[in-house]
Amino acid sequence: QKEVEQNSGPLSVPEGAIASLNCTYSDRGSQSFFWYRQYSGKSPELIMSIYSNGDKEDGRFTAQLNKASQYVSLLIRDSQPSDSATYLCAVQRGDSSYKLIFGSGTRLLVRP
Amino acid sequence: TAGITQAPTSQILAAGRSMTLRCTQDMRHNAMYWYRQDLGLGLRLIHYSNTAGTTGKGEVPDGYSVSRANTDDFPLTLASAVPSQTSVYFCASSPQPGTGENEQYFGPGTRLTVT
Repeated sequence: QKEVEQNSGPLSVPEGAIASLNCTYSDRGSQSFFWYRQYSGKSPELIMSIYSNGDKEDGRFTAQLNKASQYVSLLIRDSQPSDSATYLCAVQRGDSSYKLIFGSGTRLLVRP
Repeated sequence: TAGITQAPTSQILAAGRSMTLRCTQDMRHNAMYWYRQDLGLGLRLIHYSNTAGTTGKGEVPDGYSVSRANTDDFPLTLASAVPSQTSVYFCASSPQPGTGENEQYFGPGTRLTVT
């Protein structure tokens, strides 16, 4: 079992719809969770961080965390073609290494 | 601000040759990291440094070495390149490991091809 698992997609949604991206993790001690967006040929760009259970909203993005279920998600409202990218979930290990473990990413396609 | 810079942008390297990938950050972050990204394998940590003067091994450290002489620079050296080291290499930094706010920020990457 991978430490951080994401569906590779592609997830295809029409413009204006809500895109829902999901991620599960195995380390129960993890406390910090991140979502990165990566356009093809570019570097990962941090878009959301979340540290406590519940929802965190930033513009069109909402991160949701459920530590009991070891589940973190990213919702993108009013999806735009410019949101088409690969979204990487990253989980900071709960041990003293503080390392980030990345999922392999979900490719999102927003159809005009 | 520049954030994180990496050099070179891309490189073709003959197997057996050595090379140093450069990474510099101007954010005064304590921690720095080197990742490689390969299709289907995602981002994998090579080496990291939680503070100047210290380094640690990540998931895939074999064939690579790092040093952290100061806060800003974190070079990655391939002593004798092999074709399996063909990859895109990203440098990243974060403010302070072990705290509640430790977001990592990435540089633009170096595309390395070992022939």
